[in-house]
Amino acid sequence: GESVGLHLPTLSVQEGDNSIINCAYSNSASDYFIWYKQESGKGPQFIIDIRSNMDKRQGQRVTVLLNKTVKHLSLQIAATQPGDSAVYFCAEISGGNTPLVFGKGTRLSVIA
Amino acid sequence: DAGITQSPRHKVTETGTPVTLRCHQTENHRYMYWYRQDPGHGLRLIHYSYGVKDTDKGEVSDGYSVSRSKTEDFLLTLESATSSQTSVYFCAISESKTSRSDTQYFGPGTRLTVL
Repeated sequence: GESVGLHLPTLSVQEGDNSIINCAYSNSASDYFIWYKQESGKGPQFIIDIRSNMDKRQGQRVTVLLNKTVKHLSLQIAATQPGDSAVYFCAEISGGNTPLVFGKGTRLSVIA
Repeated sequence: DAGITQSPRHKVTETGTPVTLRCHQTENHRYMYWYRQDPGHGLRLIHYSYGVKDTDKGEVSDGYSVSRSKTEDFLLTLESATSSQTSVYFCAISESKTSRSDTQYFGPGTRLTVL
């Protein structure tokens, strides 16, 4: 079946460096994507979203890139800080009445 | 956590006992969801509600039932808990299902252990 997934289960980066978290999706009908951050012991927190009619969207220190040709989504975090340490999930909606489908998550560890 | 509370936050129970988890929202959002989160599986949808007394099944609904008698409350019941239902349960809310302009907001979670 079609699903959302992540390339790397763990990522370690030096404080101050940029982080890139990747996500592959296989449902070509997906038209809306969301990145969530989940800190230990807490619920997922919305970070940024992007529609399929866009290929880039920027927030505060975060940028999401969407490549529909290869069905790839990435989250870039600039100047990574210790507070960015968390698990990051991508999620997709394929329209109609289908609910969100979540990837399994990537753990980001920031080395001070 | 966007006006969402879950109770209890932690529960230990025995196999075969009934368990009810409660989600309460103060946002007056139409949609409410129950997910479970397990290592290696990520977040999986159990049931969701699109209005008072309107519910539907998600990906992993077997062994679970839900009820929504008021906009603000969404209950998840395990009629006879099994060890495979040991998990962290999250409630989420959204104004719309497609969430184009508003996304799902999650509660703090309930850690359930079935012995």
